[in-house]
Amino acid sequence: DSGVTQTPKHLITATGQRVTLRCSPRSGDLSVYWYQQSLDQGLQFLIQYYNGEERAKGNILERFSAQQFPDLHSELNLSSLELGDSALYFCASSVGLILLTDTQYFGPGTRLTVL
Amino acid sequence: GQQLNQSPQSMFIQEGEDVSMNCTSSSIFNTWLWYKQDPGEGPVLLIALYKAGELTSNGRLTAQFGITRKDSFLNISASIPSDVGIYFCATLDYGGSQGNLIFGKGTKLSVKP
Repeated sequence: DSGVTQTPKHLITATGQRVTLRCSPRSGDLSVYWYQQSLDQGLQFLIQYYNGEERAKGNILERFSAQQFPDLHSELNLSSLELGDSALYFCASSVGLILLTDTQYFGPGTRLTVL
Repeated sequence: GQQLNQSPQSMFIQEGEDVSMNCTSSSIFNTWLWYKQDPGEGPVLLIALYKAGELTSNGRLTAQFGITRKDSFLNISASIPSDVGIYFCATLDYGGSQGNLIFGKGTKLSVKP
């Protein structure tokens, strides 16, 4: 158990809909990262938050957004869903202070299926 | 963007055999990480390497940070059935995105008892 929790575990929805994925980081971790894992693209970084502020952006679509709340939990919002958005979405957390040795711990993931 | 090339893509081995896999890049990196992902789970960090030439062990796992800083290797000795899973190499991207991980496509390991 990494200490990172994600809900829900599975989500099935239809094209055009909007969903929210939730992540609670490990106790004491200030950084939260979101990753998308699909069969063809592998694990891709989406976005990072550090202590409530966006710190880095990766291959995140404009239809996707995220935020980190004062209690440090984070939500990833996916809107106008398309079939190709079906994937595993992972949240990871780290202390976030020293980049070089800052270990990221991954949650169990949310499997999103868009029908 | 940066790419990590992992090989082999998959391996089918007999229990007790040793396993070797590697990860290469055209770019130089200062960190190499090896993660394992079990089915239905998130990746778990196995070994972290921070210095060129560094050799680090974690039980039956040994990983090396290549001298050129463009590659890394992971060896598993005397494999057991619970070694089954997907092994990913990863490194830190200091380009446009500070400190996020970039991953190889993974090596899928299957172990026959």
